[in-house]
Amino acid sequence: GAVVSQHPSWVICKSGTSVKIECRSLDFQATTMFWYRQFPKQSLMLMATSNEGSKATYEQGVEKDKFLINHASLTLSTLTVTSAHPEDSSFYICSARDLDRGLADTEAFFGQGTRLTVV
Amino acid sequence: GQNIDQPTEMTATEGAIVQINCTYQTSGFNGLFWYQQHAGEAPTFLSYNVLDGLEEKGRFSSFLSRSKGYSYLLLKELQMKDSASYLCAASDSNYQLIWGAGTKLIIKP
Repeated sequence: GAVVSQHPSWVICKSGTSVKIECRSLDFQATTMFWYRQFPKQSLMLMATSNEGSKATYEQGVEKDKFLINHASLTLSTLTVTSAHPEDSSFYICSARDLDRGLADTEAFFGQGTRLTVV
Repeated sequence: GQNIDQPTEMTATEGAIVQINCTYQTSGFNGLFWYQQHAGEAPTFLSYNVLDGLEEKGRFSSFLSRSKGYSYLLLKELQMKDSASYLCAASDSNYQLIWGAGTKLIIKP
C-alpha cells in the first residue's frame, strides 16, 4: 500500500518556541493531506485539510495563525506549531489519500504520528 | 449533525470471536472504514464497505447496512496482538472522514 512518512516521531520543545512537523507521501501524489490531533484515550480530531498550492482549510476552533500549514508540493505538507504551550502537547498525525485511485473507496494512509511535548 | 457511535471498551478472550458495532449519521455517505490503532501509533486501514453486506478478509470481517446506518467489525480467532483501539469512520458527501471515538479492545488469555 501507499506510504506516508511523518517526521519527527517525537519532539520535546520549550514553551514559546515553534515546532515543524513534516508529512510526505512517498509513492503517490497527494493533492490533499489531512492533519489530526489526538489526545490520550480520545479519537482523532481533524484540525485542517491541507491543499497543494492553496490555503489550508481549518476546522472550527483551530487557530490558523497558531497552526501554520504549508503544502508546497504534491508530496509534502508541513504543520508548524507556533509559540507552543504545554496545552499543545498531543499526538499529531497526518494522512493522505492516493487520488489517482479516486476518492470514494480510497483509504487514508497515515504517517507514523508525532508526539509533541511542550515543557 | 454528523455523529459516529461505537462502544468505548470491550473485553474478549484469546481464541474467541468479538463483534464491534458502529452506528453513523452523516451528511451524505460514501462508505465506512475500519481502522486499527495500537497505543502511540497511527491508525492502520482494515476494511472499507460501501455496499450492504459482509466483506471478509482473513480473520477480520466487516458488515454494512446503509438503511440502518450500521456497521460492525468481526474479529475471529482472537490473538493477543489484536489488543488495540478500533476506529470506525464514515465518509460523508465531501469524502471527509468522520471518526468515531474508537473502541478499546482488551484481549485476555
